[in-house]
Amino acid sequence: EAQVTQNPRYLITVTGKKLTVTCSQNMNHEYMSWYRQDPGLGLRQIYYSMNVEVTDKGDVPEGYKVSRKEKRNFPLILESPSPNQTSLYFCASSFGVGGTKNIQYFGAGTRLSVL
Amino acid sequence: AQSVTQLDSQVPVFEEAPVELRCNYSSSVSVYLFWYVQYPNQGLQLLLKYLSGSTLVKGINGFEAEFNKSQTSFHLRKPSVHISDTAEYFCAVTTTGGGNKLTFGTGTQLKVEL
Repeated sequence: EAQVTQNPRYLITVTGKKLTVTCSQNMNHEYMSWYRQDPGLGLRQIYYSMNVEVTDKGDVPEGYKVSRKEKRNFPLILESPSPNQTSLYFCASSFGVGGTKNIQYFGAGTRLSVL
Repeated sequence: AQSVTQLDSQVPVFEEAPVELRCNYSSSVSVYLFWYVQYPNQGLQLLLKYLSGSTLVKGINGFEAEFNKSQTSFHLRKPSVHISDTAEYFCAVTTTGGGNKLTFGTGTQLKVEL
């Protein structure tokens, strides 16, 4: 089954404790992206990757890191989480850019609470 | 840069009534437009898309949307809603000329009541 898998689904942590949220897709997609969803703000892009070893900042990259060492994986790293990073996070992927390649498929989300 | 406005944060409607969720966008270049639906505690699911061609697009679960370039709108409609349509709906836009950044609206919570 074609899917985007995020882990964990729920995470509670404390300020300053490094964490990683994993994202994996089995559709051989080139493009992957991370979003955060906050009430009243919709989804905002954190980082994206056009292909292996190619990443770039989205609208709200501060406090986050990503890496793309393999095509299928795109982990989101919070080196020193703070309470303002409490949010619902989504990973998404697509074949690429242009036409139907633009259609992004989303994971089920990771709800993060930073105390 | 593109932007999306969903003016209605909440839309209550009775079951079997019609509904329209409004979406307006802003962009200086050609766009692709999407509607995604988010059921409680789930991820986003693509409802429908406009890439090119016919301005009336049909999606899953009986939803449709019409792309209106002159009014820069992409409103979502359903002639008769069901309780199971209760969810949050997001309009999103990306430009056609390269890149794949999706810009989302702030969402509309559709609540279907008996």
